[in-house]
Amino acid sequence: QKEVEQDPGPLSVPEGAIVSLNCTYSNSAFQYFMWYRQYSRKGPELLMYTYSSGNKEDGRFTAQVDKSSKYISLFIRDSQPSDSATYLCAIEENTDKLIFGTGTRLQVFP
Amino acid sequence: KAGVTQTPRYLIKTRGQQVTLSCSPISGHRSVSWYQQTPGQGLQFLFEYFSETQRNKGNFPGRFSGRQFSNSRSEMNVSTLELGDSALYLCASMSGGGQETQYFGPGTRLLVL
Repeated sequence: QKEVEQDPGPLSVPEGAIVSLNCTYSNSAFQYFMWYRQYSRKGPELLMYTYSSGNKEDGRFTAQVDKSSKYISLFIRDSQPSDSATYLCAIEENTDKLIFGTGTRLQVFP
Repeated sequence: KAGVTQTPRYLIKTRGQQVTLSCSPISGHRSVSWYQQTPGQGLQFLFEYFSETQRNKGNFPGRFSGRQFSNSRSEMNVSTLELGDSALYLCASMSGGGQETQYFGPGTRLLVL
């Protein structure tokens, strides 16, 4: 079993839709969770960084962590074509090592 | 503040050759991590350097090595290249002071023929 599992998609939605991206993880000791966005031919850029369980909101983005289910989610409200990218969940195993999901490719069409 | 820079951006090599990739972290950052990204395996951790010392290492063969210089710039080397080494190699930097985020460079795309 992989330490972090993520549905690769692709996910195609119309502009304005609510997008839900999800990952599951296996090690209940993990406490720091991240979502990165990666545009084609670019490096990943950090979107959200959360600690332990709960929700964190930043504009149209909400990150949710459910440690009891070992499940993390990213919600995008009012999705825009500019949100089209690959979204990667990541878990911090220790201060210098991230474990990534394989990424979900999102396409938002006008 | 300038971001993480990586050189070269693109590279084509043949099997059996070796390659050296370079990464310059954000000014003031002392930690540099390297990752390999492939369509099948996603992003996988290679190793991390902090103040010229390797602090952590992923599950890659010894053909993959790295080093860090006193100015925090880092290089990674892959010897005896294999077709499967074709990937996007990303480096990420952080200040190294504790729980914090990593900032990624644009990557070096390596193609092994």
